[in-house]
Amino acid sequence: DGGITQSPKYLFRKEGQNVTLSCEQNLNHDAMYWYRQDPGQGLRLIYYSQIVNDFQKGDIAEGYSVSREKKESFPLTVTSAQKNPTAFYLCASSKRTSGGETQYFGPGTRLLVL
Amino acid sequence: AQSVTQPDIHITVSEGASLELRCNYSYGATPYLFWYVQSPGQGLQLLLKYFSGDTLVQGIKGFEAEFKRSQSSFNLRKPSVHWSDAAEYFCAVVFSSNTGKLIFGQGTTLQVKP
Repeated sequence: DGGITQSPKYLFRKEGQNVTLSCEQNLNHDAMYWYRQDPGQGLRLIYYSQIVNDFQKGDIAEGYSVSREKKESFPLTVTSAQKNPTAFYLCASSKRTSGGETQYFGPGTRLLVL
Repeated sequence: AQSVTQPDIHITVSEGASLELRCNYSYGATPYLFWYVQSPGQGLQLLLKYFSGDTLVQGIKGFEAEFKRSQSSFNLRKPSVHWSDAAEYFCAVVFSSNTGKLIFGQGTTLQVKP
């Protein structure tokens, strides 16, 4: 089955700890995205990557880092600099066509602070 | 600034009643428009999208949406709501086809009364 997988489903972070959220897609999509979702605030873009070995900051990149070494993978690291990391994190991917570009989402990872 | 507004944070309808969820966006040019649905603790599922052409678009689960350029709106409709439609609905817009960045509304939570 083609799709987007995110792991783990739940992740707990201790004070001062870096944690990494996994996102993998087997849809052969070029672009991948990370969003943060907080209650009542919709989704906000953290980072995105349109091609391997390249990525750009979104609207709320501070305290986060990413890499894009493979087309299929776009891991997100939540660093200790992110002071309020508790949220639901969603990964998405898309493929550009002549008609437009549609993003498809993974099931999400909920990050909680201990 | 580019923005997407969903005026209704919470809507309650009776099962079998019709539904309309509102979405308005800023910007002058015709953007790409999307509606997604999210069940609690899950990722986002694409309901429908508009890129160009017929301004009335059909989606999955019996939903449709109409693009009205003069009103900068893309309202979602369903003639008869089922209890399983209870979820959160997000309108999203791509303003720049160069980046493919999605801007989300804050979401509308739909409750269905039996």
